Amino acid sequence: EVHLVESGGGLVQPGGSLRLSCAASGFSFSAYWMNWVRQAPGKGLEWVASIKQGGSERYYVDSVKGRFTISRDNAKNSLYLQMNSLRAEDTAVYYCAGSGYDTGLFDYWGQGTLVTVSS
Amino acid sequence: DIQMTQSPSTLSASVGDRVTITCRASQSISSWLAWYQQKPGKGPNLLIYKASSLERGVPSRFSGSGSGTEFTLTISSLQPDDFATYYCQQYNSYPYTFGQGTKLEIK
Repeated sequence: EVHLVESGGGLVQPGGSLRLSCAASGFSFSAYWMNWVRQAPGKGLEWVASIKQGGSERYYVDSVKGRFTISRDNAKNSLYLQMNSLRAEDTAVYYCAGSGYDTGLFDYWGQGTLVTVSS
Repeated sequence: DIQMTQSPSTLSASVGDRVTITCRASQSISSWLAWYQQKPGKGPNLLIYKASSLERGVPSRFSGSGSGTEFTLTISSLQPDDFATYYCQQYNSYPYTFGQGTKLEIK
């Protein structure tokens, strides 16, 4: 059974940093593109970032470019999101998602971790 | 960026009803469209990919159609478990974008 478990969320002040982690099991992690998708409270879904199987390609939504970094450790079956210079508008539940069939198609999802940016 | 527009935003229906949700893309995305179901407090679940392919394990009452800029998700006979929020998503090009969601409520 596939499991994606996010961790690392919490309350952080504007301008602060946070590192999210996602532990994967039940599928061939190293064969999948991996992604972060977020959802602000009461709002819809927003794709944040994607990383290729070996980490050689990374893509970001414009609003986080230069502030967020997606990375992975295939030996640990883990995905990460380093978030710097956080803003109030980054407040959201952050989901880890895997793409198996096609790049950009989110086959597997975690339960999410809440990031709150507030003073 | 490709804008995805869903309609309606809210849909009230009864168990056994046939319902259709529409998704429009601001430019052609061929068939690179997915539909997801999300229940409160949970991550989304993939229902349909490549516009009309049913994800394994998803009941056959769900179906998708369309190509280019116009797409639909149809539930042939609503079951109690289907009351949730549905999102379309294009994966034709970056940035990947979602529709604003359609909340399916019990009438």
